[in-house]
Amino acid sequence: QKEVEQNSGPLSVPEGAIASLNCTYSDRGSQSFFWYRQYSGKSPELIMSIYSNGDKEDGRFTAQLNKASQYVSLLIRDSQPSDSATYLCAVNMYDTGTASKLTFGTGTRLQVTL
Amino acid sequence: GAGVSQSPSNKVTEKGKDVELRCDPISGHTALYWYRQSLGQGLEFLIYFQGNSAPDKSGLPSDRFSAERTGGSVSTLTIQRTQQEDSAVYLCASSLEREAPLHFGNGTRLTVT
Repeated sequence: QKEVEQNSGPLSVPEGAIASLNCTYSDRGSQSFFWYRQYSGKSPELIMSIYSNGDKEDGRFTAQLNKASQYVSLLIRDSQPSDSATYLCAVNMYDTGTASKLTFGTGTRLQVTL
Repeated sequence: GAGVSQSPSNKVTEKGKDVELRCDPISGHTALYWYRQSLGQGLEFLIYFQGNSAPDKSGLPSDRFSAERTGGSVSTLTIQRTQQEDSAVYLCASSLEREAPLHFGNGTRLTVT
């Protein structure tokens, strides 16, 4: 069973702090990785995509990928109350004989406190 | 440009009735996914289309669920003889190609009474 694992949280961080969200995946062959943010009652929206080992920065967000450890993380600097949401890790996974499909973790709920 | 469009946005139906949910992906997007999300839960994969073909139907919960995609564009998810456990938000997403990011529609909230 191909899996994407996330801590469900809630992860509580004070305003202005760095929030660190982690994700592990089971398929060594995975090549594309995504972080989505989902506000309550809304659809997921793409925050970051990452395809190569290392760090990728976009504004206050940094995605980190380590394929050898099968680990991808999302750092949010200067956390704001508006960042409070559920963060979904998604990984393209391959099953023998089928095309890859995007598999989501169950998400980590982030709470940024004043 | 226009995003992924889903209709209806809300659907209330009686147990045992059939329902059809529609998804109109972003123009030019070849990959189309259907997911289901129950209250407070994660995304449950249902089915994936690449063009008009469905390489992976493994997520369909039972034979009451079926989906098709015509002309490489619009997709319809059909649930026959609905049950109360089918109540959820059904999300459609599309992407330009297989490894590209997904763009989600606003979902259809299905309530089976």
